[in-house]
Amino acid sequence: QKEVEQNSGPLSVPEGAIASLNCTYSDRVSQSFFWYRQYSGKSPELIMSIYSNGDKEDGRFTAQLNKASQYVSLLIRDSQPSDSATYLCAVNGHNAGNMLTFGGGTRLMVKP
Amino acid sequence: ETGVTQTPRHLVMGMTNKKSLKCEQHLGHNAMYWYKQSAKKPLELMFVYSLEERVENNSVPSRFSPECPNSSHLFLHLHTLQPEDSALYLCASSHHRDRGGTYEQYFGPGTRLTVT
Repeated sequence: QKEVEQNSGPLSVPEGAIASLNCTYSDRVSQSFFWYRQYSGKSPELIMSIYSNGDKEDGRFTAQLNKASQYVSLLIRDSQPSDSATYLCAVNGHNAGNMLTFGGGTRLMVKP
Repeated sequence: ETGVTQTPRHLVMGMTNKKSLKCEQHLGHNAMYWYKQSAKKPLELMFVYSLEERVENNSVPSRFSPECPNSSHLFLHLHTLQPEDSALYLCASSHHRDRGGTYEQYFGPGTRLTVT
């Protein structure tokens, strides 16, 4: 069983729509959760971090965490073609020190 | 220089060569990481240095040898690599956290390594 799972996609949404990206994790006592965006041929770029249950908003991005159900999601409002990228979910497990486990990523395509 | 820098950005090496990858962070962090990213595979953590001590070696073959001379610099020494080692090698840094989760990690641009 993978520790951090994401649907590989591609997830295709029209410009201006809300893109919803999901991630599930297996370590029930994970404590820190991150979303990274990675453009093709580039390195991952941190876009959101979330540590507590509930929603966290930053501009067009909202991260949602539900520890009881062991999932974390990322909503992108008013999606733009420039949002087309692979989105990586990363989780820090209990007693994992500073280490992150990454999911395989979801490829998002925003069509004009 | 800002953020996390890596050199070289591209490297082609033969299986008998020895080369080194360099990473430097300008963020005042005290934890540094090496990751490997192969096509269609999740990011794989290779090594972690926290407070200049190696705290993780994720079953990485000995042909990869890390070095962390101080909290701002990290090296990955390569020797007698195999073609399957061709990948994007990413360096990241963060603040160290003793417990209760971890802080955000910031990545450098990566070194695209090709082993021929």
